[in-house]
Amino acid sequence: DGGITQSPKYLFRKEGQNVTLSCEQNLNHDAMYWYRQDPGQGLRLIYYSQIVNDFQKGDIAEGYSVSREKKESFPLTVTSAQKNPTAFYLCASSVNREDTQYFGPGTRLTVL
Amino acid sequence: KQEVTQIPAALSVPEGENLVLNCSFTDSAIYNLQWFRQDPGKGLTSLLLIQSSQREQTSGRLNASLDKSSGRSTLYIAASQPGDSATYLCAVKETTPLVFGKGTRLSVIA
Repeated sequence: DGGITQSPKYLFRKEGQNVTLSCEQNLNHDAMYWYRQDPGQGLRLIYYSQIVNDFQKGDIAEGYSVSREKKESFPLTVTSAQKNPTAFYLCASSVNREDTQYFGPGTRLTVL
Repeated sequence: KQEVTQIPAALSVPEGENLVLNCSFTDSAIYNLQWFRQDPGKGLTSLLLIQSSQREQTSGRLNASLDKSSGRSTLYIAASQPGDSATYLCAVKETTPLVFGKGTRLSVIA
């Protein structure tokens, strides 16, 4: 059953802690993306990767880090440097940079 | 910098009505435009993708048009149903990944 999975669905973090959000795809897509969504807002791009071992910053990369060691996986770490991390995080993938993006179900992160 | 605007921000209609959602963008040099649906607390589902060379795309009761020169797209929903209630997001593709609008929250009342 092909698709994009994100885990966990809900995540709670204490201030000052780093947390890592998982994103896995079995669609054999080269490109993967991380977006952040705040209430009543559109999606804003955090990081994207067009190929293994390569990634680029998006519009709001500060306080976040990523890795792309495998084609299937693109984990996002929210560091303590991110001042307002409470949000809904969405991962997506596409065959290449030009093609339709397919989205995972999202992870809701809450900072306590 | 590309900006995408969606009007209205929210819309409530009775079941059976035909409706139009609007999307505008500031830079017409786009590769394509996509319409997505998002249910509360869920990820996005792609509805329609229009390449820059195309004028419209249709899928079932949905029809999306693109006027690249004026920087506008519309999503037409025919014979609306309560199951259409969701937020609809428009996004444009340039050399960088998608730029999203803030969405239109649609409620279809039975």
